[in-house]
Amino acid sequence: DSGVTQTPKHLITATGQRVTLRCSPRSGDLSVYWYQQSLDQGLQFLIQYYNGEERAKGNILERFSAQQFPDLHSELNLSSLELGDSALYFCASSVGRIQETQYFGPGTRLLVL
Amino acid sequence: AQKITQTQPGMFVQEKEAVTLDCTYDTSDQSYGLFWYKQPSSGEMIFLIYQGSYDEQNATEGRYSLNFQKARKSANLVISASQLGDSAMYFCAQMGGSYIPTFGRGTSLIVHP
Repeated sequence: DSGVTQTPKHLITATGQRVTLRCSPRSGDLSVYWYQQSLDQGLQFLIQYYNGEERAKGNILERFSAQQFPDLHSELNLSSLELGDSALYFCASSVGRIQETQYFGPGTRLLVL
Repeated sequence: AQKITQTQPGMFVQEKEAVTLDCTYDTSDQSYGLFWYKQPSSGEMIFLIYQGSYDEQNATEGRYSLNFQKARKSANLVISASQLGDSAMYFCAQMGGSYIPTFGRGTSLIVHP
């Protein structure tokens, strides 16, 4: 158990819908990362927050947004869902110093029908 | 841009034998970290080992060691005395000054009894 929690574990929804994925980092970690893992694209970095502020952005679609709250938990919002958004979404956390090890949550499996 | 290359899509090894998983990276950062993660079929991402770019010694963690050759930009993972439970996907990752982590496409390792 990495200490990072993600909810829900599984999510099935329809095209065009909006979903919210939630992540709680390890105790003491200030940084949260979001990733999307699909069979064709591999593990793609989406976005990173540090202590409530966005710090780095990767291949995140405009339909996706995220935020980190004062209690350091983070949410990833996916809207106007398409079939291709079906993937495993990971959250990871670290203390926040550069080059630091990230610890991953168990992931949320999203299926868009 | 950073890039991680894992040239072995799949590897097979006999139980109790050692195996090396290849990873090469491309970065213009002077200071960076290299990481290996394991993803079993259950889906979670498990941190295995870390190597900093300024570390002179190769990192070791139990049966895992990282063969770091900075001039060649390679960071190969060596697993000694393979066990059946080592069967999984293995990902090499790198992070430098941009706070943007980059992951390779992974190597699938199968350990035969």
